[in-house]
Parts: sequence; structure tokens; C-alpha cells
Amino acid sequence: GQSLEQPSEVTAVEGAIVQINCTYQTSGFYGLSWYQQHDGGAPTFLSYNALDGLEETGRFSSFLSRSDSYGYLLLQELQMKDSASYFCAVRDLNQAGTALIFGKGTTLSVSS
Amino acid sequence: DTAVSQTPKYLVTQMGNDKSIKCEQNLGHDTMYWYKQDSKKFLKIMFSYNNKELIINETVPNRFSPKSPDKAHLNLHINSLELGDSAVYFCASSQGDRGGYEQYFGPGTRLTVT
Repeated sequence: GQSLEQPSEVTAVEGAIVQINCTYQTSGFYGLSWYQQHDGGAPTFLSYNALDGLEETGRFSSFLSRSDSYGYLLLQELQMKDSASYFCAVRDLNQAGTALIFGKGTTLSVSS
Repeated sequence: DTAVSQTPKYLVTQMGNDKSIKCEQNLGHDTMYWYKQDSKKFLKIMFSYNNKELIINETVPNRFSPKSPDKAHLNLHINSLELGDSAVYFCASSQGDRGGYEQYFGPGTRLTVT
């Protein structure tokens, strides 16, 4: 089967850097996605890594190591508004089509 | 201007009732989905629908049925509601193979079954 593991909670202070790790198990692999979800809100797409290495988008970066079945989301210059849940996700290979399987999410709390 | 919209936002109903949730996307996407998010925030695919092809997660009870009148709409009908159906239901859409990583979610419908 497919599964993703990520820490349940991470805390940090404003201005700091935080890394949210994700390890995955899957028989086939297309790439690793990251989504952000604020309390009461909808998941929103942040980034995607299909190849090894770092992808940078503003304050957020995402890294993938296919050989280690591991990726992380790096958030820099943390702001209070970054307090949210972050989910890693892979393509669901148990079905045809393009559904996603999500990790259980990491709740990030940013304090002042 | 809303890309993916759902109605209603909140739905409170009693066990045994039948209810529907509507979803519309104005992004021109070719695939739509329904996900269920439980109280522990675990997001799980229920259905995906592409070009009249319905793909059903085998764990979803047959009390749940998606209906798509056209490419921009995917509604969710739930019969004989149970307490365990209480959750937030998200509609999402995507285009082409990008759906395998980039999906656009609606605001969610919080269903409470009493």
C-alpha cells in the first residue's frame, strides 16, 4: 500500500525557520506535493517535487530525495499567518485517475 | 470569481435522512473529486470523476453517490445518514495530469449528523 508519515505538530517563533518532514512508502512514485490548510479553510496547493532537489517559491521551499523516499517543506521568516496544517501528498496508485493520498498533516504553531 | 464553490457550507441533519452537497468549478478543469476530512483532519479521497468516468474508492459506502450533470458540476448525494458521516466534505478539481499533484479545493461543507 501507500503511506506517508509526517510529524503531528511543530512549534516555532516568528522570524524563525522550520522544516516539516515527510517520508513515504509507495510502490510507484510520481512526485511529492505539499498543501497548506488554515483552520476552517480549504487545502491549498503549495509546491510539488517530481525530481530530487530543492524547489523554492518565496519563503517556502520543498525538497525531495527519491532514493530516501523523503521530502520536506522548509518555511523561512515565519509569520503568524503561517500557523496552519501542512500536508504532504502523493498520487494514489490504487486507482486509475489522479486522486491524492495525503499524510495526516503537521500542525504548525507560530508564536510571537 | 470563486474557483471551486460548494453549497451548503454547513449542514446539520438527523440520522436516517438523505442530503445533497453541490459543487461547481469555473476553472474549466476536466476532473473533479470528493474528499472527506474527519475530526483528526485526515483527508481521504472518496470519488474522482473525469469525462464521465467515475472512479470510486472501494471503502466508500454505497450510500454515497456522486452525480455530475456536466463537466463543471459534481454533486454528492448521501442516503440514510449515519453518525459516522459527520465530517467536512471537500470538492476539488484539477486539469489533466496536473491533477496528480495540483488540485483546487472548495471551501468545504461541514456535515453534522445528530
